[in-house]
Amino acid sequence: GAVVSQHPSRVICKSGTSVKIECRSLDFQATTMFWYRQFPKQSLMLMATSNEGSKATYEQGVEKDKFLINHASLTLSTLTVTSAHPEDSSFYICSAKGGETQYFGPGTRLLVL
Amino acid sequence: AQTVTQSQPEMSVQEAETVTLSCTYDTSESDYYLFWYKQPPSRQMILVIRQEAYKQQNATENRFSVNFQKAAKSFSLKISDSQLGDAAMYFCAYRSAYDYKLSFGAGTTVTVRA
Repeated sequence: GAVVSQHPSRVICKSGTSVKIECRSLDFQATTMFWYRQFPKQSLMLMATSNEGSKATYEQGVEKDKFLINHASLTLSTLTVTSAHPEDSSFYICSAKGGETQYFGPGTRLLVL
Repeated sequence: AQTVTQSQPEMSVQEAETVTLSCTYDTSESDYYLFWYKQPPSRQMILVIRQEAYKQQNATENRFSVNFQKAAKSFSLKISDSQLGDAAMYFCAYRSAYDYKLSFGAGTTVTVRA
């Protein structure tokens, strides 16, 4: 149980385009999901908290207009990187709250050329 | 925000031996949760073990056990009978009982020697 999927697993896009990443809880409902960014050999940095049916809460320093989050159902949250730049290239991980624990998706590797 | 410190960037262990990863945290709260997550080369974060602060008994999951010292704010992970599949980056994480955000340590890379 407690499986979280992410799609796509990796994406390459051109600078200036937008990219959408989906996070789904497959066997449980998640009113709260989280989006993280991770650089190589570093820890996870929380970007935002996604709440079903309401606006996301962004961490300090994260541009909400650049990283759009939508949590339209109890099993799906999406992160859209708008007008992507090479510095947005990173590994993005989502997690979903299941009881007292967060369960993580497999991550999405984004490369912006 | 709470601070979680993992002072060992890398640890190496012989297969079948035991290794202990250290973690300390800083909080003024009395009610919280602590976690160890494993991130293998696939980069999938996997929950290893969870400890509730109100429980005095140390959590155990098969070959993984913790030494939770609440007064010292210490939460170490012991991996017994290490296996090649244990090679990964291990993250210690803290969560307040009143907030679902996780604060992660910097991670410890564990290498298992055959």
